[in-house]
Amino acid sequence: QVQLQESGPGLVKPSGTLSLTCDVSGGSITSSYWWSWVRQPPGKGLEWIGEIYDGGRTNYNPSLTSRVTISVDRSKNQFSLKLTSVTAEDTAVYYCAHYYSGWSAFDYWGQGSLVTVSS
Amino acid sequence: QSALTQPASVSGSPGQSITISCTGTSSDIGGSTSVSWYQQFPGKAPKLLIYDVGYRPSGVSSRFSGSKSGNTASLTISGLQPEDEAEYYCNTYRGSSPSLFGTGTKVNVL
Repeated sequence: QVQLQESGPGLVKPSGTLSLTCDVSGGSITSSYWWSWVRQPPGKGLEWIGEIYDGGRTNYNPSLTSRVTISVDRSKNQFSLKLTSVTAEDTAVYYCAHYYSGWSAFDYWGQGSLVTVSS
Repeated sequence: QSALTQPASVSGSPGQSITISCTGTSSDIGGSTSVSWYQQFPGKAPKLLIYDVGYRPSGVSSRFSGSKSGNTASLTISGLQPEDEAEYYCNTYRGSSPSLFGTGTKVNVL
């Protein structure tokens, strides 16, 4: 059973860079799986940020693509999210998730990490 | 690309059946069999309920079922229970387009 755990700073200054890491346990990140990030602003719905798959190929939400980078660290069995030039609108709970292509669905989720953008 | 459209809330009494709609376009839901549904309780991560339009993962109650017609997918909860009170989201992914979530539906058990 795959388990995911997000970690990173809970507070980021405006115009700064948001950085989060997702530790993967119970499975190897080097398998041909798809690893994703999803966020949820307080009181609002889910927004897909992007994904990394096939060892390094990425897809990003067009609304965020200029500011987002998702990468994998195979040696640590983890993947990461970087979002640059953040504003208060980027304040959200950030989830890492495993996308199982065989089901076309997100079958495993981390518990979520609240990131607040504020000075 | 905007979110898929769901009703803000749906209510029902215990034992009743309710249906949540998820409307997209021919470019997303209409052209995809990759529709999934998630249940989310306050402060918790979403949980997968339905994948590939109408399949349930092991451990998910048979009271939850999914279907699709044209550009609209639906989640039906049969025999509504108080513990079903939660937020529900649909999702679709079509390889050439980004993954899209629905706007979310709050289910109220009266």
